[in-house]
Amino acid sequence: EIVLTQSPGTLSLSPGERATLSCRASQSVSSSYLAWYQQKPGQAPRLLIYGASSRATGIPDRFSGSGSGTDFTLTISRLEPEDFAVYYCQQYGSSPPTTFGPGTKVDIK
Amino acid sequence: QVQLQESGPGLVKPSETLSLTCTVSGGSISSYYWSWIRQPAGKGLEWIGRIYTSGSTNYNPSLKSRVTMSVDTSKNQFSLKLSSVTAADTAVYYCAREIPVAGCDYWGQGTLVTVSS
Repeated sequence: EIVLTQSPGTLSLSPGERATLSCRASQSVSSSYLAWYQQKPGQAPRLLIYGASSRATGIPDRFSGSGSGTDFTLTISRLEPEDFAVYYCQQYGSSPPTTFGPGTKVDIK
Repeated sequence: QVQLQESGPGLVKPSETLSLTCTVSGGSISSYYWSWIRQPAGKGLEWIGRIYTSGSTNYNPSLKSRVTMSVDTSKNQFSLKLSSVTAADTAVYYCAREIPVAGCDYWGQGTLVTVSS
């Protein structure tokens, strides 16, 4: 099983600042099958990024993903008030077919 | 716009079977994978398993002995059964559409299932 580790656990930033979130896998993620989700309180997760760097439909271009192998990054170029949430990474290329990271909370400084 | 809606009992007794159904609207259930994911209060996401519209399944090994999924294409529904539940199975249960190369792109709103006597 591929274990995902996300850092930091909490990121305290101000609106307008840049956010950089890390997701590290215990072994290589095949074909960059790595996704990022945003979850706000009381809501279901929303797909932001798939294939490590492709934005899902309707996702603003201030969200970008990068990385390969075992190290992946989600960057939010300029935080908007609605971006304060919890972010999860997910790998979906190995057995069991998919696992999630523990999440990074982005809160307002 | 594809929409998913979970339904089922919100309270299940210990040792009994949790049963949930997800109804898909706004699109066909055919030719996609459909997943169940759960989230205990204040914790992260746990993938339970998925079913293809042919009926083939993949389950999380940690839950495999207790999980059964099924699909009814005529009703645009798929279902989850989790047997021998304990308090540790208390969580919000989500259904989602899973694209094997692109993650889960549509999610239900989630339903809270509490295991308690």
